[in-house]
Amino acid sequence: KAGVTQTPRYLIKTRGQQVTLSCSPISGHRSVSWYQQTPGQGLQFLFEYFSETQRNKGNFPGRFSGRQFSNSRSEMNVSTLELGDSALYLCASSSWTSGVEQFFGPGTRLTVL
Amino acid sequence: SQQGEEDPQALSIQEGENATMNCSYKTSINNLQWYRQNSGRGLVHLILIRSNEREKHSGRLRVTLDTSKKSSSLLITASRAADTASYFCANEINSGNTPLVFGKGTRLSVIA
Repeated sequence: KAGVTQTPRYLIKTRGQQVTLSCSPISGHRSVSWYQQTPGQGLQFLFEYFSETQRNKGNFPGRFSGRQFSNSRSEMNVSTLELGDSALYLCASSSWTSGVEQFFGPGTRLTVL
Repeated sequence: SQQGEEDPQALSIQEGENATMNCSYKTSINNLQWYRQNSGRGLVHLILIRSNEREKHSGRLRVTLDTSKKSSSLLITASRAADTASYFCANEINSGNTPLVFGKGTRLSVIA
């Protein structure tokens, strides 16, 4: 099976712009989670989607949003970018919502100038 | 915060030695998982241990879980230079419908 793919892999934006990141889960996986990783805060949970429904949301401002499509592919959007949004954004898919391992994509490295 | 904590934050050993990393957490869990991350890349799942299990093995990896102490340890035996990476524990809280909570990781360096 193909692994989790994320596009783009690298992105450079300027403050105030918006960005959309994409994640394609492993075939058959219906749960997709997003994480932000920074050196200072570590891995922080953004949100989780299962069958197109948001199941959980982390403690991030409303500028961060996401969605999941009927084919389980997911996108996350960050509007009005701030310098502090520079991070590695990781997507993970799993076959169920709990009790199973998560399979991570390679991440999207976002740099905000 | 419900975040777990790994100890030590960094560990440097010689090739062939064993590496032990510890993880503590704060609330009752359904399971605890260990992941590895090579520099700036995605995480790779290593092992999952359920709350009713005390020890689990996978190749050179041995994980223990002590729910009374709310702690887990990951032992890598006969380490190799390729084991150099960051290792994270992640726990699934036993209250349902919650995401995995990751610790800040242990940075392991294995020197050839």
